Amino acid sequence: EDVLTQSPGTLSLSPGERATLSCRASQSVERRKFSWYQQKPGQAPRLLIYGASNRADGIPDRFSGGVSGTDFTLTISRLEPEDFAVYYCQQWDGSRFTFGRGTTVDI
Amino acid sequence: QVQLVESGGGLVNPGGSLRLSCVGSGFTFGGHYMSWIRQTPGKRPEWVSYMSSSSDYIVYGDSVRGRFTVSRDNARNSLYLQMNGLRVEDSAVYYCARGSSFSGLDTWGQGILVTVSS
Repeated sequence: EDVLTQSPGTLSLSPGERATLSCRASQSVERRKFSWYQQKPGQAPRLLIYGASNRADGIPDRFSGGVSGTDFTLTISRLEPEDFAVYYCQQWDGSRFTFGRGTTVDI
Repeated sequence: QVQLVESGGGLVNPGGSLRLSCVGSGFTFGGHYMSWIRQTPGKRPEWVSYMSSSSDYIVYGDSVRGRFTVSRDNARNSLYLQMNGLRVEDSAVYYCARGSSFSGLDTWGQGILVTVSS
């Protein structure tokens, strides 16, 4: 069983639209230790959100993170062409980091 | 600027060993927790190891514990991963990354390819 379940697997949208990505934890997660990453082909992952809702340095304010219980969300308010990528959620459970399977945001 | 650069990857036979290095620049290396993460094409990243700034806290992923050893030399701004008993399933791009469980992994290297094959 996955510790973090991301949905949907693929999100097909157009520039200017709003994207809502979900990550559900199978057990209680400290929101302080939850992050979101963006990855483009051939590149390393890039930190977007840490502590569930804090934007990392240099991340545009169209990216926002939220949480309700064990359900975490990443929202991109208006998609820009450079936002089409794979997004991963990640958490630290006290002894290991785990990543979700990812959500692909494509056109 | 803040940067991490990995080296030491390559092709190795199953059962062999390899040592990866990661050099940091543009920041106070000794003040940060560091991790190794690996990833195969089309798959999610897999965390490998996590090390405190002073090396007094080290943890490993289940798949590498007992075979891989992480170390660091803060005077050389360097992080290392000694990989022994390599298996075909250890083949991946290996990244070093800066950050803690609280801050997230905020800086990543460009990655280095490790291929385990006969």
